[in-house]
Amino acid sequence: SYELTQPPSVSVSPGQTARITCSGDALPKQYAYWYQQKPGQAPVLVIYKDSERPSGIPERFSGSSSGTTVTLTISGVQAEDEADYYCQSADSSGTYGDVFGTGTKVTVL
Amino acid sequence: QLQLQESGPGLVKPSETLSLTCTVSGGSISSSSYYWGWIRQPPGKGLEWIGSIYYSGSTYYNPSLKSRVTISVDTSKNQFSLKLSSVTAADTAVYYCARVREGAYDYWGQGTLVTVSS
Repeated sequence: SYELTQPPSVSVSPGQTARITCSGDALPKQYAYWYQQKPGQAPVLVIYKDSERPSGIPERFSGSSSGTTVTLTISGVQAEDEADYYCQSADSSGTYGDVFGTGTKVTVL
Repeated sequence: QLQLQESGPGLVKPSETLSLTCTVSGGSISSSSYYWGWIRQPPGKGLEWIGSIYYSGSTYYNPSLKSRVTISVDTSKNQFSLKLSSVTAADTAVYYCARVREGAYDYWGQGTLVTVSS
């Protein structure tokens, strides 16, 4: 099976920068996407195609890619950014279809 | 504004078939630009992709679920559906339907909790 690995948790103080990584062997060849999920709510797309931001998503959310790791960066973290974050991509062969990362809980201290 | 709404039984008995429908409003399911997908999330756990379908009927399934999953589309009703057979307690989850645009799940339904229990 194909896996996307994320750290279970990230803690950050308000106004600081949070970085969430996602590692997978196919990431050099496949785009990554990032979702924010708050308790009891459906996920919301915050980054697509590694680094593009959908309309309505604050500029403090950005994405980058380097080799087998993609990173979601939240600059100037606000209390409302406390949530679970998931990366999503696909394996390069198409065998496993779409895959979601293990998820990262961002806690704003 | 595009909206997706899941519907179906909230309780399914073990060994039976889970059936859910996603109704799309505010847009056409027959657009050639999109796929339509199902994702689930067991209580307290992460997201799991179940499968996706194109309006033409082409389907893509998670290999770990492929033997039990069927996704279909009804363009006349602007709906697509999920069937998961031989369910067990491990299939208890919130089930989401979503639109897929260029690989991104950009619009999601609110989700529906399906519990597998006798």
